[in-house]
Amino acid sequence: NAGVTQTPKFQVLKTGQSMTLQCAQDMNHEYMSWYRQDPGMGLRLIHYSVGAGITDQGEVPNGYNVSRSTTEDFPLRLLSAAPSQTSVYFCAVQDKPNYGYTFGSGTRLTVV
Amino acid sequence: KQEVTQIPAALSVPEGENLVLNCSFTDSAIYNLQWFRQDPGKGLTSLLLIQSSQREQTSGRLNASLDKSSGRSTLYIAASQPGDSATYLCAVRPGFNDYKLSFGAGTTVTVRA
Repeated sequence: NAGVTQTPKFQVLKTGQSMTLQCAQDMNHEYMSWYRQDPGMGLRLIHYSVGAGITDQGEVPNGYNVSRSTTEDFPLRLLSAAPSQTSVYFCAVQDKPNYGYTFGSGTRLTVV
Repeated sequence: KQEVTQIPAALSVPEGENLVLNCSFTDSAIYNLQWFRQDPGKGLTSLLLIQSSQREQTSGRLNASLDKSSGRSTLYIAASQPGDSATYLCAVRPGFNDYKLSFGAGTTVTVRA
C-alpha cells in the first residue's frame, strides 16, 4: 500500500477515551476517505474529503470527526470511544475519477 | 441504496482449479466497479478496475467481466495457486461525482495444495 500511511496499526482504548487515527498520503490525491470494516458487514464509509478544507459525511459518521487542512493528511477523531467502535479502520485515496482507489494497511482498534 | 452481494461467502478448491467469484449489485447505474484482494490482517490490494463502458478487464491470470444491465460482475482466476488464498471484495462506485464506494462482504477463498 505504497503512498498511504496509517498510524497507529493497533490501538486499545477504554470507553470514553478520545484518540486520533492518522492517514497521510504522498500521492497528491484530492480525494481521501475513511472506512470501517466489521465482520460480515463489508466496508462502510465514515467520512470523506474531496480536497483540502472540504469534508462530508458517509454512511456511518456518528461518533467520528474529521478535518482536512492539507492535501496530505486526513485524520479521523474518535471523540468518546464506545465498544461499538471496535473495528478495523481503513483510509483510502483516489486521484482521477477513472482511476481506482488505493487503501492504507489499516488501524485495528479495540475499545474495552 | 446500492446493495452489493457476493456469493458464496467462502470457497475451497484444489490447486489448479479455476476460480469463479460472483458480485451482484442492485442499481445498474454505476460508474465503475473495482475488485480487491485482502489477506488476513492486511489492507486491500486493488486487482482490477472496470469502467461502466467496459465489458471486461484482464491482468495476468485474472479476468473480470461486467454486465451492467443484469447487475453482475464475475472475477475469474485461472489455474489457482495456494498463494491465491485470500478474501476477495468487489466495490461499486455510483457516479462520476459520487465517490462513495459500496462494498460486498467478500468471498474467502482457500486453495488447497
